[in-house]
Amino acid sequence: AQSVTQLGSHVSVSEGALVLLRCNYSSSVPPYLFWYVQYPNQGLQLLLKYTTGATLVKGINGFEAEFKKSETSFHLTKPSAHMSDAAEYFCAVFFSGGYNKLIFGAGTRLAVHP
Amino acid sequence: KAGVTQTPRYLIKTRGQQVTLSCSPISGHRSVSWYQQTPGQGLQFLFEYFSETQRNKGNFPGRFSGRQFSNSRSEMNVSTLELGDSALYLCASSKGQGETQYFGPGTRLLVL
Repeated sequence: AQSVTQLGSHVSVSEGALVLLRCNYSSSVPPYLFWYVQYPNQGLQLLLKYTTGATLVKGINGFEAEFKKSETSFHLTKPSAHMSDAAEYFCAVFFSGGYNKLIFGAGTRLAVHP
Repeated sequence: KAGVTQTPRYLIKTRGQQVTLSCSPISGHRSVSWYQQTPGQGLQFLFEYFSETQRNKGNFPGRFSGRQFSNSRSEMNVSTLELGDSALYLCASSKGQGETQYFGPGTRLLVL
């Protein structure tokens, strides 16, 4: 069955430290991959996406993610965390091939402390 | 371009009532999807409409229904509300399946 797993429901980093948010999926068909961010009382905002081509994808606010087919992973990174990065992050995978649904991971809440 | 808009933003209802939520997609987008977000279940797919037809459906009871109009605007309806229906309901629009979905701010529904 198609699934999306985000390791760590809460991640805490210091300002200026590396941010690493993990996402793994299960699929036999190459999926489309997305990362969204949600600030309190708001909808979801697209950070970046991978469909085809270069496996390292750059998004907004200095975030990037790398699609690793062999590991079925799409981890999100940012070299240096900023206080404004504190939010909830969702990995989402569009499973095609008849399923045709965008499935979200459970989310990772990122806290950034001074 | 204007983003996805949802009305109302906040709603309080009592058990047994019914509710209708509205979503206006980004101009040119023909696909509208609805999601329910709760602390316990996360983001769950409700259904997707494309050109006025329901193209996909999640695992929700028949109390949850929707429709799409010729201008791509969509509504979802929940009948016989239950306490567990309290949630943030998010609408997203896209050009088509697999395309990037752009989300509205959501409608927060509280059922008392």
